[in-house]
Amino acid sequence: KQEVTQIPAALSVPEGENLVLNCSFTDSAIYNLQWFRQDPGKGLTSLLLIQSSQREQTSGRLNASLDKSSGRSTLYIAASQPGDSATYLCAPRMEYGNKLVFGAGTILRVKS
Amino acid sequence: GAGVSQSPRYKVAKRGQDVALRCDPISGHVSLFWYQQALGQGPEFLTYFQNEAQLDKSGLPSDRFFAERPEGSVSTLKIQRTQQEDSAVYLCASSLVLKETQYFGPGTRLLVL
Repeated sequence: KQEVTQIPAALSVPEGENLVLNCSFTDSAIYNLQWFRQDPGKGLTSLLLIQSSQREQTSGRLNASLDKSSGRSTLYIAASQPGDSATYLCAPRMEYGNKLVFGAGTILRVKS
Repeated sequence: GAGVSQSPRYKVAKRGQDVALRCDPISGHVSLFWYQQALGQGPEFLTYFQNEAQLDKSGLPSDRFFAERPEGSVSTLKIQRTQQEDSAVYLCASSLVLKETQYFGPGTRLLVL
């Protein structure tokens, strides 16, 4: 059974800092991996999808990397802003199925 | 364009009541997924559809949970004889094709008293 762990569980940083969110998963037989953000009381917003054959995917100030063999992905946020405050979730999708398996998330607070 | 919509946004039910939660996926999206999210946790998979076919219902926690998508568009998640442990946010997601980006709705927050 796929287990997903996100570290740290919570993070508070001053505005302007670059930061890294970590995601690890136990079963490396993944097809791709999606990063989401979730604002309080809201649904999930897709940030990036990285295929298992890719090493990196970038969108604006966000960069996701994937090391499938070691079961790790990181989300790098450059020049953080207060509007980045949210919970960030990673979710690998297995090769042999279609569901996403989520970690518990990292709660990010960017202070102005 | 319009995203995934869900209704109702909030539902309070007395224990033992039946509830029905609706999901309208993005137009043209073939795949539809239901997830359950407990407070402070990530979403957990319940079931998914490819068009009208329910291909995986392994995540449904009991036979009180039932989902359908009869015409391959709108889906309904039904919970019979609700229990307090059913209190959670129920999220619906759709994707154009399987294994690609899933787009989530705002969720239905269910509270069972």
